[in-house]
Amino acid sequence: DVKVTQSSRYLVKRTGEKVFLECVQDMDHENMFWYRQDPGLGLRLIYFSYDVKMKEKGDIPEGYSVSREKKERFSLILESASTNQTSMYLCASKFPESNSPLHFGNGTRLTVT
Amino acid sequence: GDSVTQMEGPVTLSEEAFLTINCTYTATGYPSLFWYVQYPGEGLQLLLKATKADDKGSNKGFEATYRKETTSFHLEKGSVQVSDSAVYFCALTPPFSGGYNKLIFGAGTRLAVHP
Repeated sequence: DVKVTQSSRYLVKRTGEKVFLECVQDMDHENMFWYRQDPGLGLRLIYFSYDVKMKEKGDIPEGYSVSREKKERFSLILESASTNQTSMYLCASKFPESNSPLHFGNGTRLTVT
Repeated sequence: GDSVTQMEGPVTLSEEAFLTINCTYTATGYPSLFWYVQYPGEGLQLLLKATKADDKGSNKGFEATYRKETTSFHLEKGSVQVSDSAVYFCALTPPFSGGYNKLIFGAGTRLAVHP
């Protein structure tokens, strides 16, 4: 079975801190994604990567950056956390074919105080 | 642009009732269509998929048929259980999205099943 592992289930950080969310997948997927999920807003794509060292902005990239130094690992970085970044963050990965499904991690619930 | 619209929830049913969650889409050509389920406190899991017109995806008693003529992919189950309580997301991959193949999600429909 595909496994997408997010390093933390719960995180509490202070405003202005630099925050790293880590995601690792074990299926050699080329494509990796970071979403945030908020009540009433559904899933919103922050960034995605289709290859090592490659990244593309999603729908809401402001305030975030990403890093993909190795194929299996995709990191989301909040350069200076703010309270409006309190959310559930979901990492996902897939093969590039259009009929290939996304595989999700269990999510990281981040609270910024 | 490409989009997915699904019925608003919450949907509240009694155990063993019939379930339908409507999903319609807008896309050019023939997208791949998916249903995902999210149980409380977890990430999303693939429930079923269909990749061409008239395909029927099925899993765990759930079914959905890819209807090109009505641009729909409604989720159905004949007899729901309390354990089916979750949020259900309809999604598509546009057919011409190159190597990125991002999924586009609906807003999600919460299902609550009572004994």
